[in-house]
Amino acid sequence: AQKITQTQPGMFVQEKEAVTLDCTYDTSDPSYGLFWYKQPSSGEMIFLIYQGSYDQQNATEGRYSLNFQKARKSANLVISASQLGDSAMYFCAMREDAFSSGSARQLTFGSGTQLTVLP
Amino acid sequence: DAGVTQSPTHLIKTRGQQVTLRCSPISGHKSVSWYQQVLGQGPQFIFQYYEKEERGRGNFPDRFSARQFPNYSSELNVNALLLGDSALYLCASRDGGHFSYEQYFGPGTRLTVT
Repeated sequence: AQKITQTQPGMFVQEKEAVTLDCTYDTSDPSYGLFWYKQPSSGEMIFLIYQGSYDQQNATEGRYSLNFQKARKSANLVISASQLGDSAMYFCAMREDAFSSGSARQLTFGSGTQLTVLP
Repeated sequence: DAGVTQSPTHLIKTRGQQVTLRCSPISGHKSVSWYQQVLGQGPQFIFQYYEKEERGRGNFPDRFSARQFPNYSSELNVNALLLGDSALYLCASRDGGHFSYEQYFGPGTRLTVT
């Protein structure tokens, strides 16, 4: 089974509107972290937001918020007031603390969602 | 402060050749991870090093190897290149503390195997 599933290969949003990018995950590890990264065409992965499995509140970072629904194993990214510069590939990723190889704490990524912001 | 740096930016190699990619972590970061990102896919974990020791290895063949130097910089080596090794290779650094979770990625090295 896929550990991280992003079902939206592409999304379009009007400038200044909000958009939700979907992410579901699969793990039996009780301790894990969920991440969202933005990857512009230049290739660099830019960290956006983090949610720990034991965090009681949804994470927020400026215009980014993470809608964490633990029972549904979903960690959707909400971008408010979209800007043209938000056009990029967005990746959801998970770190499983107990099941990581050794103590590597590596990230497992989804296949990404290409977001295009329209003027 | 400088971010994670990688060299070279682009590289073209022929099948069967060997390649070495380099990564310098953020100053003070002791952990370096390598990821391979094939076009149209998410990155896949290759290796992690912490304090010069291998701490984890992904599902990659033995043609892939890496090491970390005393200054925490790292090299990824790939031998006997295949066409399927063409990808963006990303390096990420973390300070390695138990409560640190954020990995900072470099701009990547784009490898083309012909």
